[in-house]
Amino acid sequence: DIQMTQSPSSLSASVGDRVTITCRASQGISNYLAWFQQKPGKAPKSLIYAASSLQSGVPSKFSGSGSGTDFTLTISSLQPEDFATYYCQQYNSYPLTFGPGTKVDIK
Amino acid sequence: QVQLVQSGAEVKKPGASVKVSCKASGYTFTSYGISWVRQAPGQGLEWMGWISAYNGNTNYAQKLQGRVTMTTDTSTSTAYMELRSLRSDDTAVYYCARDLDAHTSCPDYWGQGTLVTVSS
Repeated sequence: DIQMTQSPSSLSASVGDRVTITCRASQGISNYLAWFQQKPGKAPKSLIYAASSLQSGVPSKFSGSGSGTDFTLTISSLQPEDFATYYCQQYNSYPLTFGPGTKVDIK
Repeated sequence: QVQLVQSGAEVKKPGASVKVSCKASGYTFTSYGISWVRQAPGQGLEWMGWISAYNGNTNYAQKLQGRVTMTTDTSTSTAYMELRSLRSDDTAVYYCARDLDAHTSCPDYWGQGTLVTVSS
């Protein structure tokens, strides 16, 4: 199975900050990487697929990059509604696997 | 607009089975797949499996093989996930999600979740 790791596991940031989260796959997954946002008690929301393509309706302050084993999710200017947990997922091969999540909270 | 509406919360005893439904609307059901993901209390997301609503192909997580079955009813645009021989560690919120297309397990729209509690 492909193992996904994320760093950091949590971070504290202020409104307006630029935030970057890293996701690493244990083997190459090309660009078959998705990012999700989840707020407490809510269903996940899809943000990005194919490493860098925004899902419909997702604001452009979110961006993704990377290929192979190393990927990043960047939020250009953190807003109050962006405080949440973020997960990456590889869909290159079965079983699909998620990263452990990165919790972004208010400094 | 795309909507996935899941069935309500369930409480089951160990050894029982549960069947969660996921009714889709706002798109052509057979043009996409449905993924199932669960989340135990306080834990991360776990991929359970996927079914293509186009041709019924499935792929399940190895750890659930033999206990899980995913099906679709194209006449009602509804997907189902049945989990058998329930254990306490199956207690979780279960999510269905529409996939990018009929052949790729990558969610784009999610259901609201169904809490399944396994307790004696």
